[in-house]
Amino acid sequence: DADVTQTPRNRITKTGKRIMLECSQTKGHDRMYWYRQDPGLGLRLIYYSFDVKDINKGEISDGYSVSRQAQAKFSLSLESAIPNQTALYFCATSDPRGGGTQYFGPGTRLTVL
Amino acid sequence: AQSVAQPEDQVNVAEGNPLTVKCTYSVSGNPYLFWYVQYPNRGLQFLLKYITGDNLVKGSYGFEAEFNKSQTSFHLKKPSALVSDSALYFCAVSSLYSSASKIIFGSGTRLSIRP
Repeated sequence: DADVTQTPRNRITKTGKRIMLECSQTKGHDRMYWYRQDPGLGLRLIYYSFDVKDINKGEISDGYSVSRQAQAKFSLSLESAIPNQTALYFCATSDPRGGGTQYFGPGTRLTVL
Repeated sequence: AQSVAQPEDQVNVAEGNPLTVKCTYSVSGNPYLFWYVQYPNRGLQFLLKYITGDNLVKGSYGFEAEFNKSQTSFHLKKPSALVSDSALYFCAVSSLYSSASKIIFGSGTRLSIRP
């Protein structure tokens, strides 16, 4: 969905490096999410934010941090990347008036060597 | 606690035949149920959802899903499969009673349609 963009689309980094993944949206939604996708595990929630001042941990937040710079921007950071953080990362937005439907970005494929 | 199960890792169907991708769920209160599709190198795309009303929900690309409360299921169906339907499909559940109304996703089912 072009309304939700993620940068970079692909990133290869080394163990111990700090990495930031960025997400921007033009849908005007207050709610934003970060997920990681691993084969056979579906999507797991890392962090979510219901507005600029509201940030919450998801089920797998250890090793990650986030920043909600504005309604439209939500960044995910890996302070010290490790190989088991190699995954596909997705940003999503939702409007509570839409019954919970989420709109996803194209994903960032992160490889930690 | 909320949970959702997709019992089949892969479903193989011949083009033109009907397809079913299975999903069962567990949730406190009334469920909100969703199906998403993921094509290669793309994010998840919303297909359809059930919140209330008719148990049979129609969505994008000719897909439909039937909510069955007694069996706690929400199977995705299509009467006649197309090769272009080949993709990864995710079922998801949430409810008003879940903390922060967030969605739980199943592990995904890969649908393969052979010509």
